[in-house]
Amino acid sequence: AQKVTQAQTEISVVEKEDVTLDCVYETRDTTYYLFWYKQPPSGELVFLIRRNSFDEQNEISGRYSWNFQKSTSSFNFTITASQVVDSAVYFCALSEAVLYKLSFGAGTTVTVRA
Amino acid sequence: DTEVTQTPKHLVMGMTNKKSLKCEQHMGHRAMYWYKQKAKKPPELMFVYSYEKLSINESVPSRFSPECPNSSLLNLHLHALQPEDSALYLCASSQESRGIDYEQYFGPGTRLTVT
Repeated sequence: AQKVTQAQTEISVVEKEDVTLDCVYETRDTTYYLFWYKQPPSGELVFLIRRNSFDEQNEISGRYSWNFQKSTSSFNFTITASQVVDSAVYFCALSEAVLYKLSFGAGTTVTVRA
Repeated sequence: DTEVTQTPKHLVMGMTNKKSLKCEQHMGHRAMYWYKQKAKKPPELMFVYSYEKLSINESVPSRFSPECPNSSLLNLHLHALQPEDSALYLCASSQESRGIDYEQYFGPGTRLTVT
């Protein structure tokens, strides 16, 4: 069973538009961590954020913001005023105590057009 | 300094060749990982080293042989590979492997083509 679902395969926007990436996860653990990674065309996965299951506070970092809702098992990611450099594949991932490893979603490809 | 380096960046090898991928980190991390990533897919975990000992092997074929010479270095030895092994191979490190809250830092990857 897929633990992390990223339903959006591809999103294309024009520069300066906002874009929201959905992430829905599944776990029976009460303690778990959620992550977002960015993978630009160069290939390297870049760590963006870590959120633990006990902290539902939303977070903002520059143009990036994250909305964590345990009630809906979602950890969504919004890029505000998108830029061409935001073009990448974005992965949501889950870390559980039972497995001690990351479960990645399928990824969402974001293309920002100038 | 959150940098993981990998060499080479690109590698083309025949099915009878023997080659090695190298990974290095200087963040004092005690866990290191190898992932395989096919095009348009998420990374798949291959091996985990924790405190220089192999702790997880995700049923990877024996033609892939990992090695951790010290806490900063991780190698992946390749021999008798198949064309379907062509992929991006990513190395990552984290503070520990048993702590679920530690983020992993990834290297730029080695793009491997098997002919």
